[in-house]
Amino acid sequence: AQTVTQSQPEMSVQDAETVTLSCTYDTSENNYYLFWYKQPPSRQMILVIRQEAYKQQNATENRFSVNFQKAAKSFSLKISDSQLGDTAMYFCAFIRQGAQKLVFGQGTRLTINP
Amino acid sequence: ETGVTQSPTHLIKTRGQQVTLRCSSQSGHNTVSWYQQALGQGPQFIFQYYREEENGRGNFPPRFSGLQFPNYSSELNVNALELDDSALYLCASSLRLAGTETQYFGPGTRLLVL
Repeated sequence: AQTVTQSQPEMSVQDAETVTLSCTYDTSENNYYLFWYKQPPSRQMILVIRQEAYKQQNATENRFSVNFQKAAKSFSLKISDSQLGDTAMYFCAFIRQGAQKLVFGQGTRLTINP
Repeated sequence: ETGVTQSPTHLIKTRGQQVTLRCSSQSGHNTVSWYQQALGQGPQFIFQYYREEENGRGNFPPRFSGLQFPNYSSELNVNALELDDSALYLCASSLRLAGTETQYFGPGTRLLVL
C-alpha cells in the first residue's frame, strides 16, 4: 500500500519569504503522479501543482515549484515570494498510474504573516 | 473555482438517520470520486464512479453507497449514520482518457451527526 508522509504539521513565515514544504512517499510502483493541493479555510481543495514520475524535470507553476527526487521518494513544494493568500493547509497526494484513489498526507498548516 | 459544485454545504443529522449528498462535475468531466475528510486529517477515498458504475472503492462499509447519473453528476448516500461519520465530504471530478487524470475538487459538504 502506498503511504504519504508530511513531517511538518505547521509552518509560519513572513510574507515575501520563500518556504519549502516537505513530503515523502512510499511505493513500489514506477509509474505514478504526485500532487500538491491547497485547502484554505473556505475548505475548497485547490490543485497547486502536478508532477508525473516519468518526467525528470521539476514542475513549476508561477511562484510554486517542486523538488522531485524519485530515488529518495521525496516531493517538496517551494513557494517563492509568499503572499497572505497562500495561508492554507497544504496536502501532498499520490496516485499510481491507472488507479482511482488519491492517497493524501496529513497536511501542513502554512501561515503567512504580514 | 473548479466548476465542481456540491450540495448542501452543511447538514446536521442524528445517529441512525440516512443522508444524501450531491455533486455536479465540471463541464466535460465524466468521472466522480468521493472522499471523506475528518477534522485535522487528509481526505480518505470512499469510491469512484465512471459510466454510472462504481469503479474502485476504499475501506468503507456498504452503508456508504453512490450513484452516477447520465449527466455525470453523482450522489453519495450514507445509511445508519454513526457519530464517526461526522466529516467534510468532498467530491472530485476528472476526465477519463488514458493514464491518470487530475482530480478537481468541489467545496465539500460538512456533515455533523449528533
